[in-house]
Amino acid sequence: GESVGLHLPTLSVQEGDNSIINCAYSNSASDYFIWYKQESGKGPQFIIDIRSNMDKRQGQRVTVLLNKTVKHLSLQIAATQPGDSAVYFCAENSGGATNKLIFGTGTLLAVQP
Amino acid sequence: KAGVTQTPRYLIKTRGQQVTLSCSPISGHRSVSWYQQTPGQGLQFLFEYFSETQRNKGNFPGRFSGRQFSNSRSEMNVSTLELGDSALYLCASSFGPPNQPQHFGDGTRLSIL
Repeated sequence: GESVGLHLPTLSVQEGDNSIINCAYSNSASDYFIWYKQESGKGPQFIIDIRSNMDKRQGQRVTVLLNKTVKHLSLQIAATQPGDSAVYFCAENSGGATNKLIFGTGTLLAVQP
Repeated sequence: KAGVTQTPRYLIKTRGQQVTLSCSPISGHRSVSWYQQTPGQGLQFLFEYFSETQRNKGNFPGRFSGRQFSNSRSEMNVSTLELGDSALYLCASSFGPPNQPQHFGDGTRLSIL
């Protein structure tokens, strides 16, 4: 398969701190990227997206940064709350007339009260 | 606005049987994609349907098939079930053109005995 999901990295932060979740994507031709949050027993929830003609996009408490030179995405969450605890996935659309997404392995964010 | 609805939420089948899963997209969405999620392989793309046509297909055997109806609802079918087909099957919908946000349902948990 195209998604390698063997080991889930964990990021542990204190409530109120800022979190940074990183992702390396695979295809230099990818032109659209999405961050998802997945809580236990639920499907992935859309957080924020960014197109390849941008290098930064901000939402409510979240910022996504895109570095095309090194094929790297990051998701910054400000003032992390216990409700942010979940697995976070980055996904890339490798271009063309399709909505096929390739997902990263995921990062478990654990927020300590 | 209702989200993506997947039925059933849980299914238990035995090897050799077949199964049909259903997905109702968000109203107005014409693209439906299916993904398989397992602990070992992560999230993997199965196929995408747009306007009742398969637009893209992932690297899965022919036992996995799908279709889309004129109202954009989609079904996927797995025949001759194997133990390795045990997974969470997720459906995502979007308006249709590439590089638009895709929104997921909560999935169908399929267990093969």
